[in-house]
Amino acid sequence: KAGVTQTPRYLIKTRGQQVTLSCSPISGHRSVSWYQQTPGQGLQFLFEYFSETQRNKGNFPGRFSGRQFSNSRSEMNVSTLELGDSALYLCASGWADLDYGYTFGSGTRLTVV
Amino acid sequence: QKEVEQNSGPLSVPEGAIASLNCTYSDRGSQSFFWYRQYSGKSPELIMSIYSNGDKEDGRFTAQLNKASQYVSLLIRDSQPSDSATYLCAVNEGFQKLVFGTGTRLLVSP
Repeated sequence: KAGVTQTPRYLIKTRGQQVTLSCSPISGHRSVSWYQQTPGQGLQFLFEYFSETQRNKGNFPGRFSGRQFSNSRSEMNVSTLELGDSALYLCASGWADLDYGYTFGSGTRLTVV
Repeated sequence: QKEVEQNSGPLSVPEGAIASLNCTYSDRGSQSFFWYRQYSGKSPELIMSIYSNGDKEDGRFTAQLNKASQYVSLLIRDSQPSDSATYLCAVNEGFQKLVFGTGTRLLVSP
């Protein structure tokens, strides 16, 4: 059974650029969440989607956005990149109810220079 | 924002010993709790979930929950060097959001 697939694995971008990250959930999972992980802040919730609807959003600026497609695949976009956006971006998929737990993908390591 | 507190460690234990990892949370209304393991350079991996007060055992792992005292713990019996990792406690804040602690680094020496 395929796990959560995130692409690309690594990205290097320049300040001011924008970036799009992709996540394909485990087959059958309709909930997709995104988290940012940094050494200083740990894992921080970005947003969660279910059936193409955003159900919750974390405390990140509007430069961070996401969407989910009808096949449950999700993308997140960061516009006007800042140095502080350098982080590991993790996607997690699950069933409708969070109580069943999430499975994380391998992440996308974004470096902003 | 609800908070989840963990001692950053490192917690050092010899091989074969019991490792005890602790976590406290601020939201008394939290209902579900998770332990994730994260190896260096890898993504978090779900080890256990717990929802009711008391103990829940799965192999060498035991999760303990005390809602009155607002703490969750993870015991690892017969610790192995391969258990060396960062252990993340996560609390379901509601509305599909997990709040994570910053993790406890565990080192198991042979």
